[in-house]
Amino acid sequence: ELKVEQNPLFLSMQEGKNYTIYCNYSTTSDRLYWYRQDPGKSLESLFVLLSNGAVKQEGRLMASLDTKARLSTLHITAAVHDLSATYFCAVDKPDPRNSGYALNFGKGTSLLVTP
Amino acid sequence: DTEVTQTPKHLVMGMTNKKSLKCEQHMGHRAMYWYKQKAKKPPELMFVYSYEKLSINESVPSRFSPECPNSSLLNLHLHALQPEDSALYLCASSRGRGYEQYFGPGTRLTVT
Repeated sequence: ELKVEQNPLFLSMQEGKNYTIYCNYSTTSDRLYWYRQDPGKSLESLFVLLSNGAVKQEGRLMASLDTKARLSTLHITAAVHDLSATYFCAVDKPDPRNSGYALNFGKGTSLLVTP
Repeated sequence: DTEVTQTPKHLVMGMTNKKSLKCEQHMGHRAMYWYKQKAKKPPELMFVYSYEKLSINESVPSRFSPECPNSSLLNLHLHALQPEDSALYLCASSRGRGYEQYFGPGTRLTVT
């Protein structure tokens, strides 16, 4: 069974500070996704990481993937209040029932950026 | 067009009602998904359709009945729901299984 663990689950940080969210998964996978969700809203795709060593950056967010360590990180640089949201990582789970894949989500990291 | 649309945005229904949720995409995606999300929890996969055929049913109770009339449309028919079924129902689509999923805005369902 594929397990996806995020930490921390809750994060309160001051504007201007840096921090990293971690996503560990238990079985081999070459695809990892980061999503953002604002309260009461849907999921917005942030990053798709498809290979070992992949690094992607968008604004103050940077995501990386180490498939050997089964670890992805989401790094926040100089946080601003607009980044307050819940961040999910998700890993494709090979599903033998249909020779395809299904997403397996972490529990999410609830981020609050304060002045 | 790069979006997934869902209707209605909000739905309140009694336990004896029959209602349907609708999802539509015009990106030419061949895989479509239904997820259920409870407050402060991650989305839980309910159903996967691939090329208009049901390929995954995650042991969902029969009071939820999916339907994929064509490659652009996905419905979720609801009947005799329970209050614990109240949640945000998300539809998603992707080029195929294993590709990035694009999520719709969701339907907030309340069962009274």
